[in-house]
Amino acid sequence: EPEVTQTPSHQVTQMGQEVILRCVPISNHLYFYWYRQILGQKVEFLVSFYNNEISEKSEIFDDQFSVERPDGSNFTLKIRSTKLEDSAMYFCASRLGPTNGYTFGSGTRLTVV
Amino acid sequence: AQRVTQPEKLLSVFKGAPVELKCNYSYSGSPELFWYVQYSRQRLQLLLRHISRESIKGFTADLNKGETSFHLKKPFAQEEDSAMYYCALSAQGAQKLVFGQGTRLTINP
Repeated sequence: EPEVTQTPSHQVTQMGQEVILRCVPISNHLYFYWYRQILGQKVEFLVSFYNNEISEKSEIFDDQFSVERPDGSNFTLKIRSTKLEDSAMYFCASRLGPTNGYTFGSGTRLTVV
Repeated sequence: AQRVTQPEKLLSVFKGAPVELKCNYSYSGSPELFWYVQYSRQRLQLLLRHISRESIKGFTADLNKGETSFHLKKPFAQEEDSAMYYCALSAQGAQKLVFGQGTRLTINP
C-alpha cells in the first residue's frame, strides 16, 4: 500500500534556526497538507496546497512558515526562525482528490531548544 | 466555526466488552465525519468515514445529525484495539480536517 513518507523522524534545533521538514506524498495525489500536534493537544491544521499554491491556511501558519513543492515528489514545510512553541509533531498528508480520504505520514517530531 | 469534541481523554474496557467512543461536533452545514486511529508510534490511519458506511475491524459509526454526534462503536473489544482514536470533521467544500482531542482506548485482558 502506498505511503506518505516524512523525514527526518526527529529533529532537534536551536531557537532561531531555520528548519525544513520533508514529505514525499503518494505519487498520484494532488492535494497536500501539513498538520501539527503539540504534546498533549489536538492535531491542528496548518496549510493545504493544491496546484502549486496554498489553498487554505490557519492562523498558526504565519510569515515564519512556508511550503514548497520544489519538484514532482517532495513537499516541504519551512520554519524560518524557530521558537520554543514550535516544538510539536508535524504530520504531512495527501489525497488524490477533494472527495478522497487523506493519507498521513508518520510525522516528524520537532524539538526546539 | 467547526469544532469536534471527544469528551473522554481515556477509556478503559475489558476484552470482549462493548466499546463506544463518543464524538460530538459543531457545524451548521453538512459535515463529513471521520475516525482516525493511531497505534503506538505509528501514523494516523483512516478507520471510518461516514459517507462510505463501511465497517472496519468491527467498528461502526453512525452520523446523528439531530444530536450532532458520530460515536464509534464495537460490540466486542479486542486487545489489539488499544490505540489513540481521533474524530475529525471536514466542512462542506473545505480542505482541512478539524480534529477532536482524541481518546486513548485501553483494552484490558
